[in-house]
Amino acid sequence: GENVEQHPSTLSVQEGDSAVIKCTYSDSASNYFPWYKQELGKGPQLIIDIRSNVGEKKDQRIAVTLNKTAKHFSLHITETQPEDSAVYFCAASFGAGNQFYFGTGTSLTVIP
Amino acid sequence: DTGVSQNPRHKITKRGQNVTFRCDPISEHNRLYWYRQTLGQGPEFLTYFQNEAQLEKSRLLSDRFSAERPKGSFSTLEIQRTEQGDSAMYLCAGAGGNYGYTFGSGTRLTVV
Repeated sequence: GENVEQHPSTLSVQEGDSAVIKCTYSDSASNYFPWYKQELGKGPQLIIDIRSNVGEKKDQRIAVTLNKTAKHFSLHITETQPEDSAVYFCAASFGAGNQFYFGTGTSLTVIP
Repeated sequence: DTGVSQNPRHKITKRGQNVTFRCDPISEHNRLYWYRQTLGQGPEFLTYFQNEAQLEKSRLLSDRFSAERPKGSFSTLEIQRTEQGDSAMYLCAGAGGNYGYTFGSGTRLTVV
């Protein structure tokens, strides 16, 4: 089955700086890669996703890049704000409506 | 409001007792998923319904676990003879139509 690895496990940045979280996947059949933000006591919330026919996608301060050849994808958050502090999970699946394989999460702390 | 409701939010039970959780997606969610999340880990897939049909079950879903979606709307997840290792957050997600994969806020189970 698919195996998703995520790094780093913890990340602290100063407010206004950028944060980058990286994930690798093992199954070349995976073609959908969402990123979720999870705040304490809440379920994961989708923040951005990318499909395998696209190399980069951006939504305001958040961007995701995908390198299919190397089987890795990254989340980039620019101009970080304290409210960005949360745990971020990457995931991979074959199709947007199928079982997701999640990474182990990155705890992001934005220091005011 | 994510459109997916889960009840109860928290459940504390004694080892050996049975527990049941409920998930209510929106009507457009023809697909429904159950995941389990332990502390410091990403969600792990348990099972998946397409309408009322249970199409896939993970090896994590031992014979003490059973899930139903009798009318293709709400779903229940029952754990019989709970063990301390069952302590986790149980997440439900809905998908379908023009709606992507949406998680509920989860039910946190503590087995004492």
